[in-house]
Amino acid sequence: KQEVTQIPAALSVPEGENLVLNCSFTDSAIYNLQWFRQDPGKGLTSLLLIQSSQREQTSGRLNASLDKSSGRSTLYIAASQPGDSATYLCAVEYGNKLVFGAGTILRVKS
Amino acid sequence: DTAVSQTPKYLVTQMGNDKSIKCEQNLGHDTMYWYKQDSKKFLKIMFSYNNKELIINETVPNRFSPKSPDKAHLNLHINSLELGDSAVYFCASSQPLRRLGRHNEQFFGPGTRLTVL
Repeated sequence: KQEVTQIPAALSVPEGENLVLNCSFTDSAIYNLQWFRQDPGKGLTSLLLIQSSQREQTSGRLNASLDKSSGRSTLYIAASQPGDSATYLCAVEYGNKLVFGAGTILRVKS
Repeated sequence: DTAVSQTPKYLVTQMGNDKSIKCEQNLGHDTMYWYKQDSKKFLKIMFSYNNKELIINETVPNRFSPKSPDKAHLNLHINSLELGDSAVYFCASSQPLRRLGRHNEQFFGPGTRLTVL
C-alpha cells in the first residue's frame, strides 16, 4: 500500500530558527516528490519538486532532499519567518497520481 | 492570469441535492485531477483525466461523475449529496512530459468548500 507519513504533525518555532520537516513513503517506486504549502482556507502552492533521479532541490531558503532507497525526504527551511507559518504537505507521485501526507502545521513566532 | 480556477468557491446545499463544481485551466496542460480534502485536512485523489479520457478512478462512489468537455475543463457532478461529502474539493492540472526539472509538477486550484446540511 502506498502511504506517506509526515513528522512532526505540528511544529512551533521562534523566528530565525532553521527547521526540518520530515516525510517518509512506503513504496519507493516513485516518479517524483513534491512539497506544497497550504495557507488556511487557501489552495496549495507548489514549493519544490524533486524527480526520482535527483537527490535535492533548492529554492531560496528552502532545500528539499530525497533518499529514494530509504523512502525519505526532508524539507529544510533556513532562517524561518512568521510568513512561513502554514501547513506543509509532502506528496509522492505514483503513475500520474499524487499520494499526500497529512501535513505538518508550522507556526513561526515573532 | 495563467492558473487553475474553480467555481464556486463555496457551496452550501441540502442532503439529496445534485450539484456541480467547475474547473478550468489555461496552462495548456493535458492532465487534470480532482482531489478531496476531508475535515482532517487529508488530501486524496479522486479522478484523473488525460486529454478528456479517464485514467484514474480511486474507488469513488458512482454518485460522483467527472465530465471533461475539452482538455482545459474538468467538471465534477455529484448526485444525491450526503453529509459525508462535505469537504474541500481541489482541481489540479499537470503536463506529464519528461521536461527537465519540471516533470509532472501539479498545479492546484483554490478549492471549493462544499457543505452538505
